[in-house]
Amino acid sequence: QVQLQESGPGLVKPSETLSLTCTVSGGSISRFYWSWIRQSPGKGLEWLGYVHYTGGTHYNPSLNRRVTMSVDTSKKEFYLRLTPVTAADTAVYYCARHASEHLYHFDRWGQGSLVIVSS
Amino acid sequence: DIVMTQSPDSLAVSLGERATIDCQSSHTLLYTSINKTYLAWYQQRPGQPPKVLISWASTREPGVPDRFSGSGSGTDFTLTISSLQAEDVALYYCQQFYRTPWTFGQGTKVEIK
Repeated sequence: QVQLQESGPGLVKPSETLSLTCTVSGGSISRFYWSWIRQSPGKGLEWLGYVHYTGGTHYNPSLNRRVTMSVDTSKKEFYLRLTPVTAADTAVYYCARHASEHLYHFDRWGQGSLVIVSS
Repeated sequence: DIVMTQSPDSLAVSLGERATIDCQSSHTLLYTSINKTYLAWYQQRPGQPPKVLISWASTREPGVPDRFSGSGSGTDFTLTISSLQAEDVALYYCQQFYRTPWTFGQGTKVEIK
């Protein structure tokens, strides 16, 4: 059973860079699309973007080009980078897999990583 | 962006009774060329990530109890829990995967009356 696990700093200063890693275990990272989603009390669940195992990406325009995603298939990891951050980026960040090797619904989620943006 | 609106925001139902959650999208989620509706329902228990219950508006995911069912088409959808159990206390979200940016409803909190 494939599992996803987010990791990264829990505290980031305003104007700096939020960096998270999602590690895939128990299954292949290849042939799938992988997304980042965040959840905050004020904005609910917000899709941030996806990365394909080939490295192709697509981002939510609402992030105003602050986001970059990448993948390392040899490590079975994919990454989120968001900069510069503000307090509004405080949220639980989830990584998730799209079902069936297509851009369908999210069939696997990580447990989530709380990131607080504060000085 | 496609806006997803759920109702109600919360509901309290007695154990064994039916719970119904509605979701409306601002754009059709039906791809007529392939007759598939790009709508999913998720359950999020406290402290847990969302878990997909229903995809394609009405297809139950493997392992999901049959008391959960999804219905609807076009822009109006419903998630029904036919006989509420204690473990069903959670937040429920609809999500469209018809067009990016993929969007979620605001969530419906289900509690025991």
